[in-house]
Amino acid sequence: TQLLEQSPQFLSIQEGENLTVYCNSSSVFSSLQWYRQEPGEGPVLLVTVVTGGEVKKLKRLTFQFGDARKDSSLHITAAQPGDTGLYLCAGGRLGYGGSQGNLIFGKGTKLSVKP
Amino acid sequence: DTAVSQTPKYLVTQMGNDKSIKCEQNLGHDTMYWYKQDSKKFLKIMFSYNNKELIINETVPNRFSPKSPDKAHLNLHINSLELGDSAVYFCASSQVGRLAGGDTQYFGPGTRLTVL
Repeated sequence: TQLLEQSPQFLSIQEGENLTVYCNSSSVFSSLQWYRQEPGEGPVLLVTVVTGGEVKKLKRLTFQFGDARKDSSLHITAAQPGDTGLYLCAGGRLGYGGSQGNLIFGKGTKLSVKP
Repeated sequence: DTAVSQTPKYLVTQMGNDKSIKCEQNLGHDTMYWYKQDSKKFLKIMFSYNNKELIINETVPNRFSPKSPDKAHLNLHINSLELGDSAVYFCASSQVGRLAGGDTQYFGPGTRLTVL
């Protein structure tokens, strides 16, 4: 069974601080996605990383996929109150036929950025 | 224009009842999904359909029956509702359904089901 462990579960910081969220597994994934979910809404995709070692930047957010494609991190620089939300990592499950396209989600990191 | 829409937004019902949740996507995607998010925010896939055909069924009780009348719609019918079915149910869609190519899943706003 492929599982994704996400940490920390909760994170409360002051505006301007930096933070990193981790997503770890003992399994290899075909790709890793990061989503952000706001209360009362569905998750919205932030980024997809596919290649081991890949780094992608989205303004103040930096995403990295581990070399072995088993882990990923999300780093936010100079966090702002607008970054507040639930961050979810999701791994693309390796497999054949019907299991392709199946996402395994981590349990999420609830981030609160205080002004 | 809403890409993935679900109705109803909220559903409160008694144990033992049968209920349906509807989902529609106007993105022209081939693949649609149902996910369940529990009270701890854990999101887990239930079903996946590609072009009206079931391709993933993740050990969901057979009280849950998805139906796809066409590739733009994927409805979820639940029989004999139980307390443990209370959760937020999300519908999603993607172009192809193959994540290795960076396929993006677009989620609906969710349906909060409360079983009393």
